[in-house]
Amino acid sequence: GDQVEQSPSALSLHEGTDSALRCNFTTTMRSVQWFRQNSRGSLISLFYLASGTKENGRLKSAFDSKERRYSTLHIRDAQLEDSGTYFCAAANSGGSNYKLTFGKGTLLTVTP
Amino acid sequence: AQTIHQWPVAEIKAVGSPLSLGCTIKGKSSPNLYWYWQATGGTLQQLFYSITVGQVESVVQLNLSASRPKDDQFILSTEKLLLSHSGFYLCAWSLPGGVQDTQYFGPGTRLLVL
Repeated sequence: GDQVEQSPSALSLHEGTDSALRCNFTTTMRSVQWFRQNSRGSLISLFYLASGTKENGRLKSAFDSKERRYSTLHIRDAQLEDSGTYFCAAANSGGSNYKLTFGKGTLLTVTP
Repeated sequence: AQTIHQWPVAEIKAVGSPLSLGCTIKGKSSPNLYWYWQATGGTLQQLFYSITVGQVESVVQLNLSASRPKDDQFILSTEKLLLSHSGFYLCAWSLPGGVQDTQYFGPGTRLLVL
């Protein structure tokens, strides 16, 4: 089965609101990355975490350091330019450093 | 600064025809390189990765092959395209060495097989 379960699959936010995306892993993961894909297909790296939390502007991500079985991406004060598809991708603790498994993505739409 | 180029930008090909997609990284020596495939509306599937020239590891083959003829070049190819090969192909790189690190993606190539 899928090792990376991402939720929700779609999300609609009004400008200025906050929300969170989540990835659950069916096995222990070494690290997690979060990406945003725009309408042209470009994939932008948002965060890489091997543990703990990272923050960049209105985005904040956390990776459960204890059991390494989930990660979250928080969006604060959502703006129109935050719209896109968000993917998490994780590297299995028992596997190769180079293999990444992606979730199915969250389609985020921010409306005025 | 590192730059990653992919070519062509888009292709329309016939079933059974050959395919060659390219990826070049500039500004970084000995990067780890990766190929991904994304079906329309779908998630990304890692296909191959390479940590050094001449060495390619397969993750999921999908009747495709990959080669790394130069330190800064990664090629994805097949001799006979299938309809199921349609989609978006992305190349990515990460810092050399054995430690997992952020992967940076190229602009991608859109492929339509008819």
